[in-house]
Amino acid sequence: AQSVTQLGSHVSVSEGALVLLRCNYSSSVPPYLFWYVQYPNQGLQLLLKYTSAATLVKGINGFEAEFKKSETSFHLTKPSAHMSDAAEYFCAVGTGANSKLTFGKGITLSVRP
Amino acid sequence: NAGVTQTPKFRVLKTGQSMTLLCAQDMNHEYMYWYRQDPGMGLRLIHYSVGEGTTAKGEVPDGYNVSRLKKQNFLLGLESAAPSQTSVYFCASSWGAGVSDTQYFGPGTRLTVL
Repeated sequence: AQSVTQLGSHVSVSEGALVLLRCNYSSSVPPYLFWYVQYPNQGLQLLLKYTSAATLVKGINGFEAEFKKSETSFHLTKPSAHMSDAAEYFCAVGTGANSKLTFGKGITLSVRP
Repeated sequence: NAGVTQTPKFRVLKTGQSMTLLCAQDMNHEYMYWYRQDPGMGLRLIHYSVGEGTTAKGEVPDGYNVSRLKKQNFLLGLESAAPSQTSVYFCASSWGAGVSDTQYFGPGTRLTVL
């Protein structure tokens, strides 16, 4: 079985501050890991994904995430938050070629001026 | 190229009524999915399809039926709506069978069942 844990439901940062959104996964086999972003009243959009290549994955809008097997983590970071980053962020895990994605509960990012 | 579109965007039903949500994609994707999104629960897979004419159950299939008569369309039906089905419904599609394939999402349908 696979699962994803996103602790907390809301993170607030100041504009220009570091963004860190945590994701821990549980999987008995090597996972595929994803971060999706959902802007208000829109569908989900892929930010980045890890598919067993480089452990540091760069995505769109300056976001990146690092796969750490020893910590079973895939935390999302951005060095400097922008007001436009305010959204809900979902981590997801899949295992095996034909498995389906399991999504975390999501975390809302607010950016203060 | 419209991507993934969903119809309708909003709907209010009374308990016991039926309705069909339509998902259409113009990317020639084989795989299509229906999810529901509830506060604090993330997205949960309802049903999915691996190609025209096929459907399969996901994590929370009870109370829903689906059909994939054409490759580009994936319909989600509620035969007798219940308040527990109040949710935001998202359709998604992907090119291949691999879990690493990116899923592309529609804008969602907000359904309220009174």
